Amino acid sequence: TQLLEQSPQFLSIQEGENLTVYCNSSSVFSSLQWYRQEPGEGPVLLVTVVTGGEVKKLKRLTFQFGDARKDSSLHITAAQPGDTGLYLCAGTFNTGNQFYFGTGTSLTVIP
Amino acid sequence: DAGITQSPRHKVTETGTPVTLRCHQTENHRYMYWYRQDPGHGLRLIHYSYGVKDTDKGEVSDGYSVSRSKTEDFLLTLESATSSQTSVYFCAISEGGLRDQPQHFGDGTRLSIL
Repeated sequence: TQLLEQSPQFLSIQEGENLTVYCNSSSVFSSLQWYRQEPGEGPVLLVTVVTGGEVKKLKRLTFQFGDARKDSSLHITAAQPGDTGLYLCAGTFNTGNQFYFGTGTSLTVIP
Repeated sequence: DAGITQSPRHKVTETGTPVTLRCHQTENHRYMYWYRQDPGHGLRLIHYSYGVKDTDKGEVSDGYSVSRSKTEDFLLTLESATSSQTSVYFCAISEGGLRDQPQHFGDGTRLSIL
């Protein structure tokens, strides 16, 4: 059962452009995390959000958690080739004790 | 980087054979996890451990067993491997439970079942 939907699945942009990727669920998240994964490596945590409406910034990355805690977005400003990778959202829900990952957004930034 | 070592990093084996993957951590974290990653499915939790000899099933536990006899080691066993278990397997650790603690991942084991 896929509880987290990420969009778009693939994204290819030019260096310097801005982009936003999304993570959505029909259920309320207890907490949500964003990870970045490079080929041949494991995912690396970028941020954790727990409060509805929360906004966190990490250099050129801005993470937003929806007011209803059912969705989240990741915005990258002035993308660089080093931002290339698979961006995964992951979270737990108010019901149950499982931890679920989305299928990811594969980002390619072209120099 | 968190001290997580997965072994082997690559393995090719035949259907019906037993396979054991090892995850070793040097962080003394209480929680350890095994995931598999497949195209179109993302990462899915197989089993996790919340202490020595304390384990529980994840989303896709059928066909897998785990053991944790020491804090630092978490083993994943495929008793009789099938082609559907061809995947990339990741181990992860965290200080606290699943809900709000960050997980630190190893670099994965690529397993091919022929």
